[in-house]
Amino acid sequence: AQKVTQAQTEISVVEKEDVTLDCVYETRDTTYYLFWYKQPPSGELVFLIRRNSFDEQNEISGRYSWNFQKSTSSFNFTITASQVVDSAVYFCALSPYYNNDMRFGAGTRLTVKP
Amino acid sequence: KAGVTQTPRYLIKTRGQQVTLSCSPISGHRSVSWYQQTPGQGLQFLFEYFSETQRNKGNFPGRFSGRQFSNSRSEMNVSTLELGDSALYLCASSPGQGSGGYTFGSGTRLTVV
Repeated sequence: AQKVTQAQTEISVVEKEDVTLDCVYETRDTTYYLFWYKQPPSGELVFLIRRNSFDEQNEISGRYSWNFQKSTSSFNFTITASQVVDSAVYFCALSPYYNNDMRFGAGTRLTVKP
Repeated sequence: KAGVTQTPRYLIKTRGQQVTLSCSPISGHRSVSWYQQTPGQGLQFLFEYFSETQRNKGNFPGRFSGRQFSNSRSEMNVSTLELGDSALYLCASSPGQGSGGYTFGSGTRLTVV
């Protein structure tokens, strides 16, 4: 069975603060994908990143960075110098390598105040 | 390159009615999945279609059904609507199975009254 836990329901920060969104997952598969999606108020899920289970290198994309630690089954997402436009609900998700059955966490609502 | 298109964007139906939602995937994508999003249950997987065949199914009653056409377009149908079916229904497409993630549409917001 697959499960994704995002323990932080809501986070509120002031612009320019750094913020980390936590994601912990469970799976019996040895190979899998992990994802982060952003959902702005418009409702569409916007793809941010995909990692596969055998690539534990951290990744940085502009103000975004991701820390994948297989030993702790965690895939955390950090936004550096947050901006008001970062306000959204962020979802972590997991899927097996062999199909597209994605399981999402409950999401973390991030509010960035000016 | 056009994204995933879902129609209609908004829908209001009465309890007991049925509804059909449509999804056009990205050109060339053969896998289409549907998700239901509600405040209480979050994002829940409904089903996945690949090459006109249902490949995976989530834990939803038989009132929820879907199909995929030869051009990869997909429809989902909900019969005998209940108030609890009010939700945002998201469609997503992927090149194939195990492709590593989806591109999502903007969703259809269904309200059952």
